[in-house]
Amino acid sequence: GQNIDQPTEMTATEGAIVQINCTYQTSGFNGLFWYQQHAGEAPTFLSYNVLDGLEEKGRFSSFLSRSKGYSYLLLKELQMKDSASYLCAVRDPTDSWGKLQFGAGTQVVVTP
Amino acid sequence: GAGVSQSPSNKVTEKGKDVELRCDPISGHTALYWYRQSLGQGLEFLIYFQGNSAPDKSGLPSDRFSAERTGGSVSTLTIQRTQQEDSAVYLCASSPVGTGDEQFFGPGTRLTVL
Repeated sequence: GQNIDQPTEMTATEGAIVQINCTYQTSGFNGLFWYQQHAGEAPTFLSYNVLDGLEEKGRFSSFLSRSKGYSYLLLKELQMKDSASYLCAVRDPTDSWGKLQFGAGTQVVVTP
Repeated sequence: GAGVSQSPSNKVTEKGKDVELRCDPISGHTALYWYRQSLGQGLEFLIYFQGNSAPDKSGLPSDRFSAERTGGSVSTLTIQRTQQEDSAVYLCASSPVGTGDEQFFGPGTRLTVL
């Protein structure tokens, strides 16, 4: 089984930086995903980390430390359209190679 | 190309009725997943199909829930004798073969049980 924790809500100002932390406790690990979900819409893929380190993709970066069971998603130069829920998900191959276990999501509110 | 599609987009039913939710994955994707999302909650895994292998049903909450995938493509999630706690958005996702592949989600079916 798995336990995935992330903050419920974060508020930040347009143009600022926000870091969303995700910690996990799993019996196995084969990758961590971040998804973005706007209200009433389907989740969309943001990033995938399987090795330690930082993956940068434009304004978004994702970091992973497997030894600490820790990841963060960094959103830079925040825009109003970044207001959404951000979901951390872990793939645990001891359960099934396919399924992901999702955290409850972090609601990011960007204010003017 | 076409993404994952789901139908219906909204379903309102009475307690005790059966419902069927449909998912059309992206062509060529061998993996198909069903998730459930209650209001303000994260995604809850329900079931996973991979090719011709036996599905992983470990997330199905009760024996009222079942799913099948015909011809390795379209999938149907069936909920029998619906209860009010079944009200949620049911999301389908598909991915190509590979453990690192992202999952592409459909728009979901919002189920309301009265």
